[in-house]
Amino acid sequence: NAGVTQTPKFQVLKTGQSMTLQCAQDMNHNSMYWYRQDPGMGLRLIYYSASEGTTDKGEVPNGYNVSRLNKREFSLRLESAAPSQTSVYFCASSDWDRPGYFGPGTRLLVL
Amino acid sequence: AQSVTQPDIHITVSEGASLELRCNYSYGATPYLFWYVQSPGQGLQLLLKYFSGDTLVQGIKGFEAEFKRSQSSFNLRKPSVHWSDAAEYFCAVALSGNTPLVFGKGTRLSVIA
Repeated sequence: NAGVTQTPKFQVLKTGQSMTLQCAQDMNHNSMYWYRQDPGMGLRLIYYSASEGTTDKGEVPNGYNVSRLNKREFSLRLESAAPSQTSVYFCASSDWDRPGYFGPGTRLLVL
Repeated sequence: AQSVTQPDIHITVSEGASLELRCNYSYGATPYLFWYVQSPGQGLQLLLKYFSGDTLVQGIKGFEAEFKRSQSSFNLRKPSVHWSDAAEYFCAVALSGNTPLVFGKGTRLSVIA
């Protein structure tokens, strides 16, 4: 039981490049989330998916897109990376009585 | 909109001393309440959660938290801090276990000998 896994762990991009962050969970949770963490800001919600086939914007969705590929997988795409997207990205999953299990994070640096 | 306030950005305590980290929330109803811990360069680990029932909640690593409805607070406590407790602590709220968490900005805990 791996919990929530994220790939890659680290990534360096140049401004304007695109990339997809992958997230998968093996706990059969319905809901999945993408957060970003910046110093002094806590974690802020980018997008979430309450169930397979649905996605909703969070607090900071601009510059990102998501895909809920199936119940297990929820990917986050940066179409044209900007230095302001330098951050640590966390994926999480949850269900009614099993809240907020987080992946190990992806550290992204945009130059 | 829900919001979470952690008034203390940084706290320093001596090893063996007691600890209390404060958390206040703003929400129309009683939300689900959580405390997470994050060691440097690591992910988030759930310390404890409150959904309903007994307002004193026991968690892992010897932590406990008390929900006080009248004060909209969910403070985290530990009777005796260990050096390994040095980390950042986040309070969070959610409408239910199946909805997004709203996080406070965190409190960094330093432990001195």
